[in-house]
Amino acid sequence: DIVLTQSPGTLSLSPGERATLSCRASQIVIRSYLAWYQQKPGQAPRLLMYGASSRATGIPDRFSGSGSGTDFTLTISRLEPEDFAVYYCQQYGSSPFTFGPGTKVDIK
Amino acid sequence: QLQLQESGPGLVKPSETLSLTCTVSGDSVSSRSYYWGWIRQSPGKGLEWIGGIFYTGSTSYNPSLKSRVTISTDTSKNQVSLNLNSVTAADTAVYYCARHSANDGSWGLFYFDYWGQGTLVTVSS
Repeated sequence: DIVLTQSPGTLSLSPGERATLSCRASQIVIRSYLAWYQQKPGQAPRLLMYGASSRATGIPDRFSGSGSGTDFTLTISRLEPEDFAVYYCQQYGSSPFTFGPGTKVDIK
Repeated sequence: QLQLQESGPGLVKPSETLSLTCTVSGDSVSSRSYYWGWIRQSPGKGLEWIGGIFYTGSTSYNPSLKSRVTISTDTSKNQVSLNLNSVTAADTAVYYCARHSANDGSWGLFYFDYWGQGTLVTVSS
């Protein structure tokens, strides 16, 4: 199984700042089949990005994704109050599809 | 608007079978474009993909759970069901129903674009 590692574990930032989240895979993720999700307390995860860099329906353009191979990044250009949450990456280049442990973005 | 709603017992005894149902509205489990399935989340193991099913009955399961899992559909009710047998405390989790989507040309490799709100299942005597 592909193991995903996310860093940092927690990112403390202020609204308006830029957030850079990392996801590293234990093996190459084929075709950059990497997705990102946002989860708020008491809610289900919400799809943000797929294919490493494609935004899901309705996701604002302050969210962007990049990367290939084993290293991927989610960037939030300017944090809005509603962006403080936990973010997970998920690889779907090979089954079983696996998730990272998450990065919590909290208010500084 | 697509909605997925999980239902089922919140408490299951060890060694018994966990059974959950997901009712889909706004799309069809008979769709030829998606799989439908389940993901769970626990404090200890994080998010874990369980498996999915296509309208033809074709299934895809996580090998770690495959021996204990059955996923099925009831097209007349537009529902997807999960059965997990021989449960232990390690199966305690929030269980989510999710639509499985694939990039063009990569059928069988899924990300999850719509999720239900989740239902907590506790395994305890």
